[in-house]
Amino acid sequence: AQSVTQPDIHITVSEGASLELRCNYSYGATPYLFWYVQSPGQGLQLLLKYFSGDTLVQGIKGFEAEFKRSQSSFNLRKPSVHWSDAAEYFCAVGEDNNNDMRFGAGTRLTVKP
Amino acid sequence: KAGVTQTPRYLIKTRGQQVTLSCSPISGHRSVSWYQQTPGQGLQFLFEYFSETQRNKGNFPGRFSGRQFSNSRSEMNVSTLELGDSALYLCASSLGLQEYFGPGTRLLVL
Repeated sequence: AQSVTQPDIHITVSEGASLELRCNYSYGATPYLFWYVQSPGQGLQLLLKYFSGDTLVQGIKGFEAEFKRSQSSFNLRKPSVHWSDAAEYFCAVGEDNNNDMRFGAGTRLTVKP
Repeated sequence: KAGVTQTPRYLIKTRGQQVTLSCSPISGHRSVSWYQQTPGQGLQFLFEYFSETQRNKGNFPGRFSGRQFSNSRSEMNVSTLELGDSALYLCASSLGLQEYFGPGTRLLVL
């Protein structure tokens, strides 16, 4: 069965600094990979999704993620973090879109002024 | 355009009862997915419906079921409630690559 690991439970970055959130997955075939963000004011939102093609995926809010098959990773990046990016971020993997989809435990992002 | 709506927003039930939650997708969206979120298990995918058919499913027991109507509205049902079913149940509607979530129904099982 597939699984997802987000190694960092909590990350703190300064506003304006770059951000990278790590995600490692376990899955035999080519996975569908997702990043979600959850904040009290906005609820849960899909940031981006990878299923084929270009391994660098652009998402909403200036986020991007890169699929690296050799490292079984799908890390989320943003070049300059805004205070409004403070939230919980979830990585997920699925088979054939969201079939048997599994989520990581989440990474909580704090943004320092 | 109205967003995804879920009713009720809060619900209290007792063990052994059954519950039905409702989700109205964004107009024009034919795919509806359901998720469960708990402090202990985190986020989990329940199932996805598309054009009244279950298209994908997660790893939940048969007590959890759903359906979708011709107007794309969806319901999920949990029978024989257990304490561990206390959770935030989220519904999302999709069109193409975008997925939009509702505010959720918070279920408390006593």
